[in-house]
Amino acid sequence: NAGVTQTPKFRVLKTGQSMTLLCAQDMNHEYMYWYRQDPGMGLRLIHYSVGEGTTAKGEVPDGYNVSRLKKQNFLLGLESAAPSQTSVYFCASSFLDPRTQPQHFGDGTRLSIL
Amino acid sequence: SQQGEEDPQALSIQEGENATMNCSYKTSINNLQWYRQNSGRGLVHLILIRSNEREKHSGRLRVTLDTSKKSSSLLITASRAADTASYFCATDLTQGGSEKLVFGKGTKLTVNP
Repeated sequence: NAGVTQTPKFRVLKTGQSMTLLCAQDMNHEYMYWYRQDPGMGLRLIHYSVGEGTTAKGEVPDGYNVSRLKKQNFLLGLESAAPSQTSVYFCASSFLDPRTQPQHFGDGTRLSIL
Repeated sequence: SQQGEEDPQALSIQEGENATMNCSYKTSINNLQWYRQNSGRGLVHLILIRSNEREKHSGRLRVTLDTSKKSSSLLITASRAADTASYFCATDLTQGGSEKLVFGKGTKLTVNP
């Protein structure tokens, strides 16, 4: 049982390049979330999904897109990377509403934009 | 939006001592959660306390909630070097019925051997 797996773990991009971060969970969870964590800023919600085929915007959605084509996968895309998107990205999932039960986190993707 | 704010930002103690971290929030909540993050890892859920609960225990962890003061505290008793981590509180965002958590900026705890 792997839990929440994020791919890749590290990546360096040049400004303007695009990439996709993959989050996979094997717990049959309905809810999936993408956060970014910056020094002194805590976790900020980018986008989330409450089930297969659904997505919704979080606190800081600009410059990112997401897709949830399969229940177990939640993809985060950067269309045209900018230095301000340098961050650590975390994916999380929960079986039901995370306000009422724990979220399970992956170990993050460390992304640097040059 | 409401947000939990942890206090202190950093805490350094000796092994065996107790560690207390506080979280304050702005508006009414239904639930409050505490998470731990070890360096270079993802967050791990520690405990959830509901608004109608005042205290909850899990092993060496004790969480209290005072809804009148809009604050919660996390107490780690008899701390160990392995407790060195950042600790975050997370509150539910009641506006609009969105299924979201709002995380504070965390308390960085260092337990010295």
